[in-house]
Amino acid sequence: QVHLVESGGGLVKPGGSLRLSCEASGFPFSDYYMSWIRQAPGKGLEWISDISISGTSINYADSVRGRFIISRDNAKNSLFLQMNSLRDEDTAVYFCAREAAVPGTYNWFDAWGQGALVTVSS
Amino acid sequence: EIEMTQSPSSLSASVGDRVTITCRASQSVGTYLNWYQQKARKAPQVLIYAASSLESGVPSRFTASGSGTDFTLTIISLQPDDFATYYCQQTYTTPPTFGQGTRLDVK
Repeated sequence: QVHLVESGGGLVKPGGSLRLSCEASGFPFSDYYMSWIRQAPGKGLEWISDISISGTSINYADSVRGRFIISRDNAKNSLFLQMNSLRDEDTAVYFCAREAAVPGTYNWFDAWGQGALVTVSS
Repeated sequence: EIEMTQSPSSLSASVGDRVTITCRASQSVGTYLNWYQQKARKAPQVLIYAASSLESGVPSRFTASGSGTDFTLTIISLQPDDFATYYCQQTYTTPPTFGQGTRLDVK
């Protein structure tokens, strides 16, 4: 059974840092692209970053580029998000998600973690 | 960045109703369009990918169509478990973007 579990959320002051982890199980983690998606309280979904299987191809949303760093450790079936220079507007539930794909064409998020709440407040 | 706009933003319906949600893209996304359902305090779940393909395990009362800029998600006969928020998402270009959501609640 596919399982994604985020950890590392919490309360942090503006300008601070936090590192989220996502532990995967039940599938060959090293065969899948992975993403982080967030949802501010009462708001919609915002994709913020993805990483290729090998970790060599990475994309970021403009809202986090230069502040957040995505990484993965395939040996430990883990995905990470290092969040620096946090702002009030980064307050959200952060989901890790597995990317299913028809090679070279369609892709979608077919498995999600339960989410980790990050609150940025003084 | 491609903007996705859903309508309506909220919708009230009854069990057994036929419900349609629309999603419009600010530019063509071909059929690179997915639909998700999110229940309160839960992670989203994919319903439809590639505009009209039903994800494994999703009930056949969910159907979707469209291409280019205009898409629809239809629930043929609403069930109690279907009251939730629905999001469309394009994956034609990076960043993948979501619609603002359509909240479906009980009339």
